[in-house]
Amino acid sequence: KQEVTQIPAALSVPEGENLVLNCSFTDSAIYNLQWFRQDPGKGLTSLLLIQSSQREQTSGRLNASLDKSSGRSTLYIAASQPGDSATYLCAVSPDSNYQLIWGAGTKLIIKP
Amino acid sequence: DADVTQTPRNRITKTGKRIMLECSQTKGHDRMYWYRQDPGLGLRLIYYSFDVKDINKGEISDGYSVSRQAQAKFSLSLESAIPNQTALYFCATSDLLGGGTDTQYFGPGTRLTVL
Repeated sequence: KQEVTQIPAALSVPEGENLVLNCSFTDSAIYNLQWFRQDPGKGLTSLLLIQSSQREQTSGRLNASLDKSSGRSTLYIAASQPGDSATYLCAVSPDSNYQLIWGAGTKLIIKP
Repeated sequence: DADVTQTPRNRITKTGKRIMLECSQTKGHDRMYWYRQDPGLGLRLIYYSFDVKDINKGEISDGYSVSRQAQAKFSLSLESAIPNQTALYFCATSDLLGGGTDTQYFGPGTRLTVL
């Protein structure tokens, strides 16, 4: 059974720092992996989607990498800003039915 | 206006009451989903629907039922609410783009408390 783990559960860093969030999964046979951002009262927003054949995706200050063989993905945030404060979740799709299996998230606080 | 809306946004109810949570979308997507989120846990899939005539159970469907009234509307019902159904509930939609490029679009969530 696929399990997705995100460590740490919470992270606090000063504004301006570069940081990495981690996601690990137990079964390397995935269809895609996504990173989402959750803001209180606003639902979840997809940040980056990496297909199983890809190694990384970039959007602005965000870069997500995927290493299927080791069961790991990282989300790199460059030059962090207070507006980046949110909970970041990763989710794995095991097949083309697109049923996502979710990590519990990392709550990120960027201190001004 | 938001593409995926959920009503109500907050609800407090008592054990044994019947509750309906509603979801509407203007994205024109065929696929719709209901999740619940508990503190410290990832989202868990309750039910999903790939079109109006296709309803499927997810990981934790016991105690819940759904209705897909139209392409744009997907409702979740708790026939007899119990305290361990207290959670944050999300509706989501997706389109079938293929090639592993699909993503899901989420509503703002409904916070349900069962006393």
